[in-house]
Amino acid sequence: QKEVEQNSGPLSVPEGAIASLNCTYSDRGSQSFFWYRQYSGKSPELIMSIYSNGDKEDGRFTAQLNKASQYVSLLIRDSQPSDSATYLCAVRGGGFKTIFGAGTRLFVKA
Amino acid sequence: EAGVAQSPRYKIIEKRQSVAFWCNPISGHATLYWYQQILGQGPKLLIQFQNNGVVDDSQLPKDRFSAERLKGVDSTLKIQPAKLEDSAVYLCASSLDGRDQPQHFGDGTRLSIL
Repeated sequence: QKEVEQNSGPLSVPEGAIASLNCTYSDRGSQSFFWYRQYSGKSPELIMSIYSNGDKEDGRFTAQLNKASQYVSLLIRDSQPSDSATYLCAVRGGGFKTIFGAGTRLFVKA
Repeated sequence: EAGVAQSPRYKIIEKRQSVAFWCNPISGHATLYWYQQILGQGPKLLIQFQNNGVVDDSQLPKDRFSAERLKGVDSTLKIQPAKLEDSAVYLCASSLDGRDQPQHFGDGTRLSIL
């Protein structure tokens, strides 16, 4: 059983639309949650961290966390072609080990 | 603030040869991580250091992989002997601590085994 699951995609959205990326995790003791963006051939780049239930907004990005449902999501508003990348969900469990999902490929059509 | 430095960027070797990667974390970051990322997959943790001590090496193939962080700053990861399945990108990351702070990644080393 995978510990951090993401839909591999590709998720295709038109420019200007909202892209919704989802992630579920199995460790109920998880306390820290991260979203990374990874362009092809590049290393992961931190977008957002979230630690408590609810929404956290940063510019066009909103992270949503629901610990009861073991679910974390990332919304990208006003999607741009430059947002086309793989988005990695990372979860730090109760033992402080960070586990990454396989990523969701996002394609924003101009 | 300088980011995580890694070298080399690319390495091509034949199977059964040895290879070493170097990483210098962001200044002041106590926690250093080595990940292996195979194409199409998420990064897989190989080893995590807190200062110069190992916190987690449960997924490190210890018969062929070794890593050290002797002075609690920079680190080396070695593979000896390399196998075809070791072809991957090796990512180094660092964080202020290993608890709540996010990790910041270097550019990685792309390893190809012939």
